[in-house]
Amino acid sequence: NAGVTQTPKFQVLKTGQSMTLQCAQDMNHNSMYWYRQDPGMGLRLIYYSASEGTTDKGEVPNGYNVSRLNKREFSLRLESAAPSQTSVYFCASSPAGTGNNEQYFGPGTRLTVT
Amino acid sequence: AQSVTQLGSHVSVSEGALVLLRCNYSSSVPPYLFWYVQYPNQGLQLLLKYTSAATLVKGINGFEAEFKKSETSFHLTKPSAHMRDAAEYFCAVRVNTGGFKTIFGAGTRLFVKA
Repeated sequence: NAGVTQTPKFQVLKTGQSMTLQCAQDMNHNSMYWYRQDPGMGLRLIYYSASEGTTDKGEVPNGYNVSRLNKREFSLRLESAAPSQTSVYFCASSPAGTGNNEQYFGPGTRLTVT
Repeated sequence: AQSVTQLGSHVSVSEGALVLLRCNYSSSVPPYLFWYVQYPNQGLQLLLKYTSAATLVKGINGFEAEFKKSETSFHLTKPSAHMRDAAEYFCAVRVNTGGFKTIFGAGTRLFVKA
């Protein structure tokens, strides 16, 4: 199994450009998540999708949009990139329903906005 | 509100020495607690989790953690550090706010000296 895959692995954008980060999982998980990781701040939740067809804002949603395309795929879009969005982005998935389910993470996308 | 505090952003130990990474949480309900490890340039992976079955939880790679309700702590330990343990470690609490979400601590980077 591939688990959680993310594309691209690296990206450099200029301020104002747009892009979409792709995420897919092959574990038949209901819930999917997008986080950003910045030094000294741990992981902060951007958006999540508890199940196919639903999406909700997390802790830091401003400047981002998401699409739960189907059960496997959950994309994150930056409409107009800003230098403050320079970060490492992780997608994760988990089975739904109970709190003791851990999350499974992708390898991350390293985004630099100049 | 639920939160996670990891004491010490960096911990350095000698190879063979005890590893102790500290985590305290706040939660208004019995928590689900996790430790994740992140090796360089990789996503997070589960080390261990507390789900109320036992207060002492054993994980992968010789790590274990003890849930202490009276101290609201979930410290991670390993009796003898190995060079391959050098990584960043995240404590996390999973909460139900109309769908389960995970709150991560800021992380502790472990250095292992030869």
